Amino acid sequence: SAVISQKPSRDICQRGTSLTIQCQVDSQVTMMFWYRQQPGQSLTLIATANQGSEATYESGFVIDKFPISRPNLTFSTLTVSNLSPEDSSIYLCSVGTPSYFGPGTRLTVL
Amino acid sequence: DQQVKQNSPSLSVQEGRISILNCDYTNSMFDYFLWYKKYPAEGPTFLISISSIKDKNEDGRFTVFLNKSAKHLSLHIVPSQPGDSAVYFCAASAPGGYQKVTFGTGTKLQVIP
Repeated sequence: SAVISQKPSRDICQRGTSLTIQCQVDSQVTMMFWYRQQPGQSLTLIATANQGSEATYESGFVIDKFPISRPNLTFSTLTVSNLSPEDSSIYLCSVGTPSYFGPGTRLTVL
Repeated sequence: DQQVKQNSPSLSVQEGRISILNCDYTNSMFDYFLWYKKYPAEGPTFLISISSIKDKNEDGRFTVFLNKSAKHLSLHIVPSQPGDSAVYFCAASAPGGYQKVTFGTGTKLQVIP
């Protein structure tokens, strides 16, 4: 199993600003995944982050809106840019098979 | 296109009785299925999984059944306990994408003492 921490746990942001979410894993992993859970919805994969290469984005998600960094094998960040109320969601990072998840970051955009 | 569906958004069960959570999928390429439990303010926690080569997998009070012909799986919890009250997500993955899972919308289980 893996222990995953995320910062911040929650935030309230103004429209048009950006939020960067950090994900730290207690062991080295090749792939890290970022998910979004909109209110009342299932978890949707945003992108897969590999260390040393560009992230791979799922259909409907673009790098300009969700830039990802993966500087090493235990850490990744997801930035949600140009925030709108529709971005209000829980954002989660995960690793491994089966997927182990961080506690999530609850974002509210006013 | 919702490839993994949980048609019951909520379920209430008496403590000690059986809880049955259902899940349907549409993608015939899925070959690995998982169940997760999620408490409020926490990330999902892996519960149990099943490969498509099996039709049943059991772990303590939790059993997952897979019916490939019907593209249906179910999670049985026996006996149900109040601590089982949570949202349960069904998820699936396809060959080669085993770390990339597709989730259902979840079923909120309430176990009544």
